[in-house]
Amino acid sequence: GEDVEQSLFLSVREGDSSVINCTYTDSSSTYLYWYKQEPGAGLQLLTYIFSNMDMKQDQRLTVLLNKKDKHLSLRIADTQTGDSAIYFCAESPGSQTGANNLFFGTGTRLTVIP
Amino acid sequence: AAGVIQSPRHLIKEKRETATLKCYPIPRHDTVYWYQQGPGQDPQFLISFYEKMQSDKGSIPDRFSAQQFSDYHSELNMSSLELGDSALYFCASSLRTPIYEQYFGPGTRLTVT
Repeated sequence: GEDVEQSLFLSVREGDSSVINCTYTDSSSTYLYWYKQEPGAGLQLLTYIFSNMDMKQDQRLTVLLNKKDKHLSLRIADTQTGDSAIYFCAESPGSQTGANNLFFGTGTRLTVIP
Repeated sequence: AAGVIQSPRHLIKEKRETATLKCYPIPRHDTVYWYQQGPGQDPQFLISFYEKMQSDKGSIPDRFSAQQFSDYHSELNMSSLELGDSALYFCASSLRTPIYEQYFGPGTRLTVT
């Protein structure tokens, strides 16, 4: 099965960097994602990485993938109070039918302290 | 840019009633996914459709059914509702190619009393 794990909570001071970690078990994962969910809101796609990459940078976001250890991380530079939310990592095994259903981690609640 | 539309946003039903949730994907997206997120939990994949055909099936109860129509909108039908069905139901859509960008709607909050 697909098990995706994250630490539940992270607190950082405004202006510092945040690093949210995720481990997964399915070695056939094709794509790995980070989603952001604010209270009572939907899931916002932040970024994704292909399994044949080891790093992707997108403005303040840096994704690192260690495929050997099945470890994914999201670094948010210069964290702002608006970054406070729950962050989900998700992986997609890529089914034979080509659909791309996602398996989510438990979510990390990021709290940014002003 | 147009986003995924879900209706209704909130729904209150009693046990054993039925509910129908609707999803309108982003224009030109041909694949629709349904997820269920219980309180304090991560979203769980229920079912997906590509070109009006069921594509993948996850942990969807037999009491639930879904379909995708010719205009690509999708409906999730839920019967014999139970208290445990209270959750946020998300619809997401994507293109088959590339398939890796999956965009979520705002969700329908279903409360079963």
